[in-house]
Amino acid sequence: EIVMTQSPATLSVSPGERATLSCRASQSVTTNLAWYQQKRGQAPRLLIYGASTRATGIPARFSGSGSGTEFTLTISSLQSEDFATYYCQQYNNWPPWTFGQGTKVEIK
Amino acid sequence: EVQLVESGGGLVQPGGSLRLSCAASGFTFSNYWMSWVRQAPGKGLQWVANIKPDGSEKFYVDSVKGRFTISRDNARNSLYLQMNSLRADDTAIYYCATDLASRPRNDAFDIWGQGTMVTVSS
Repeated sequence: EIVMTQSPATLSVSPGERATLSCRASQSVTTNLAWYQQKRGQAPRLLIYGASTRATGIPARFSGSGSGTEFTLTISSLQSEDFATYYCQQYNNWPPWTFGQGTKVEIK
Repeated sequence: EVQLVESGGGLVQPGGSLRLSCAASGFTFSNYWMSWVRQAPGKGLQWVANIKPDGSEKFYVDSVKGRFTISRDNARNSLYLQMNSLRADDTAIYYCATDLASRPRNDAFDIWGQGTMVTVSS
């Protein structure tokens, strides 16, 4: 099973600042990596797939990068609606499809 | 509009059973892999099970193998999760999810339902 590890667990950022979230895989997942945003009380929403492709309707301030075992989600200028928890997920080696434990982005 | 609507959650005693349902609309249900993903209170996401479009293949996370059964009825555009021998650590919101973008594969989950809460407690 591929273990996904996200860091940091919590990220405190001021509105308008850049946020950088990390995700590490226990073995290579090539670029078969997705990012999700989840707000309190809501279902997750797909942001990025293929490590760097934005899903339909996702603003350009969200970008993904990386390959192999190291991945980054960058939010270039945080808006109020971006404060949420973010998860990475690999779909290279399955089953199981595995998620990271999440990074909570909170207002500084 | 593409939509997934879960139902069937509730309070059940340890060792009990529950059957979850997911009604799909707005897409050709029979063409896509379907999954269940759960989230324990205050915790992260865990993929639970999925099923091939024609129902011929099913996969499960180890912790539910032998206790949970995923199934689908393509004529009714419905997905199911039969949960037996429930334990306290099965307590979670259960989401129905699918991947419409990667057919015929099951990669990322681009469509999610609103979830249904399952509580296992005496």
